[in-house]
This record gives sequence, C-alpha cells and structure tokens, in this order.
Amino acid sequence: DQQVKQNSPSLSVQEGRISILNCDYTNSMFDYFLWYKKYPAEGPTFLISISSIKDKNEDGRFTVFLNKSAKHLSLHIVPSQPGDSAVYFCAASYQGAQKLVFGQGTRLTINP
Amino acid sequence: KAGVTQTPRYLIKTRGQQVTLSCSPISGHRSVSWYQQTPGQGLQFLFEYFSETQRNKGNFPGRFSGRQFSNSRSEMNVSTLELGDSALYLCASSSRQGPSYGYTFGSGTRLTVV
Repeated sequence: DQQVKQNSPSLSVQEGRISILNCDYTNSMFDYFLWYKKYPAEGPTFLISISSIKDKNEDGRFTVFLNKSAKHLSLHIVPSQPGDSAVYFCAASYQGAQKLVFGQGTRLTINP
Repeated sequence: KAGVTQTPRYLIKTRGQQVTLSCSPISGHRSVSWYQQTPGQGLQFLFEYFSETQRNKGNFPGRFSGRQFSNSRSEMNVSTLELGDSALYLCASSSRQGPSYGYTFGSGTRLTVV
C-alpha cells in the first residue's frame, strides 16, 4: 500500500528553468510533508517542509505547494542549477507518528 | 558539529549470518530512527527509539531488531540474513521525538548479502 507516490521516476530540466516535482498521497491523516534531496552514497538531506495548515512554503529557490483537497504536493525549484541534480524524495507524517512515509523518489537531472 | 555517523559504511555478509549496524546521533539528539532503502521498495521505516525506548516499529519481520543506549547511540541487528536484506540502511536523529522536528540522516551502511 503505497501511501505516498511520486509517479515520475525521472525528470530532465534545462539549467535556469523551473523544475517541478510532484507527489500524491492517500492517507488523510497526514498533516506534515517534507522534501528530501539525496546524492549517491549519501543520506537524504532535508530541503523544505510544509504543515497541512498552510498551502505554500518558500525557502530561497525552493517552494512547496500543498493542495489538500487533491492530496497533492509539489516542489518548485527556480532557477534550476546543475547542483540540483539528485534524487528527490517526498515524505509525509502525521501527529503522533514517529515515522516518515516516503515516496519512491524522482531523479532530477539539470542539463547545462 | 559532527553529523550522524554510521558504521560500517559497507558490509558484505553471507546468507544465514547475522549483522549489527551502528549509529551515533548528533550530540544532544535523543531520537534515533532507522530506515531501509531498496530499489524496489524505496525508503521504508524500520523503528524509532527515544530515550532508550522503542516508540514505533515498521512492518518488518522479527529478524530485524534494534536498541538504543543511554548515550543515545543506537544499533540495529538483522539475524538469519536473506538475499532480500541487501539494502542501504539509514539512520536519522532528531533532538525531539517525531519527524516534524527535523531528521538529520547519516550516510548509511550499504549491506550486501551473498
């Protein structure tokens, strides 16, 4: 039962353009969402998060949007840079849970 | 300050053996969680410890166990290894209980079972 889904295994974007990574979830109890970035041979690095009481959170080049009615969130990276090439994981949790439920990840490649 | 340290980085074991992986959290962090990453299943939660107590456990067989010591260091053990246990095992620590307070992950231990 995949409660968090990232339907695009890979995404290729030109440097300087916008990268949009998508994530869908099925569990209505989720109230906290996070995005992590992972390079090969390293652990995931926290990027940005959003609580279910908000619909947008921004941090520099990174913005996360949450659409609760559609159970959908997205990560926008503007402008995309070569160093952004990595695997991006969407994760979700809910109040009282001591765990994250991760999506399968999307491999983002930024082309010069 | 030092990050989350996992040892060893790489490990090769034979089917049927057992293995112990170690995780040293960031100083002052009392919550330690373990995740398994495989190509087919992605990142899956194994368990979380807070102040030496297991607070939550994922859907893994009893061959997977763990513990946390008084200094917050944690170990996980896998007994009777199977080929399917080959994975990257990640440890994450947090200053407080629960992922909304921010998890910092280690670089992982790559376990290969042959």
